[in-house]
Amino acid sequence: GQNIDQPTEMTATEGAIVQINCTYQTSGFNGLFWYQQHAGEAPTFLSYNVLDGLEEKGRFSSFLSRSKGYSYLLLKELQMKDSASYLCAVRKTGNTGKLIFGQGTTLQVKP
Amino acid sequence: EADIYQTPRYLVIGTGKKITLECSQTMGHDKMYWYQQDPGMELHLIHYSYGVNSTEKGDLSSESTVSRIRTEHFPLTLESARPSHTSQYLCASSGGGGTEAFFGQGTRLTVV
Repeated sequence: GQNIDQPTEMTATEGAIVQINCTYQTSGFNGLFWYQQHAGEAPTFLSYNVLDGLEEKGRFSSFLSRSKGYSYLLLKELQMKDSASYLCAVRKTGNTGKLIFGQGTTLQVKP
Repeated sequence: EADIYQTPRYLVIGTGKKITLECSQTMGHDKMYWYQQDPGMELHLIHYSYGVNSTEKGDLSSESTVSRIRTEHFPLTLESARPSHTSQYLCASSGGGGTEAFFGQGTRLTVV
């Protein structure tokens, strides 16, 4: 089976940096994805990690440690529009490549 | 922009009716998924397919069924809708390897 844990809610200030953590336990790991989802909308892809280390993409970075079953998403220079849910998802190994999501972290950015 | 489409966007239907939610993608992706999501809650995988004529149940039990006769099409059917089926249904697809999944805009279903 698999278990993916994220904090339920976080609050941060505009212009600041926030780190959203994700821990996972899964039988078979083939990559970790981060998605952003605004209320009432579909999730949109942010980042992908399959090897250990940091992936940077503009204001967003994502880190993975496979041995610890741990990832984080780092958001810099927060903007009001970054208020959304951030979903951690794990892809399983094998031909099926099932994509399983955590419960998501709702981030509120305040002025 | 992702080429994956769901119809209808919104559906209000009476109890006992049969409904089919449509999902199509033009990216040639092998893998397709159906997720169920209640407002403010997590995405639950209810069905997935890794190719034509291959479908499997997801981690959340669902009374719905799916079919995958063509690569681009992955419809979801409820034979007899009930109020407990009220939810948002999101379809997604992905290619091979480490490619990300792209989501459709979702179908918000209300059963009255």
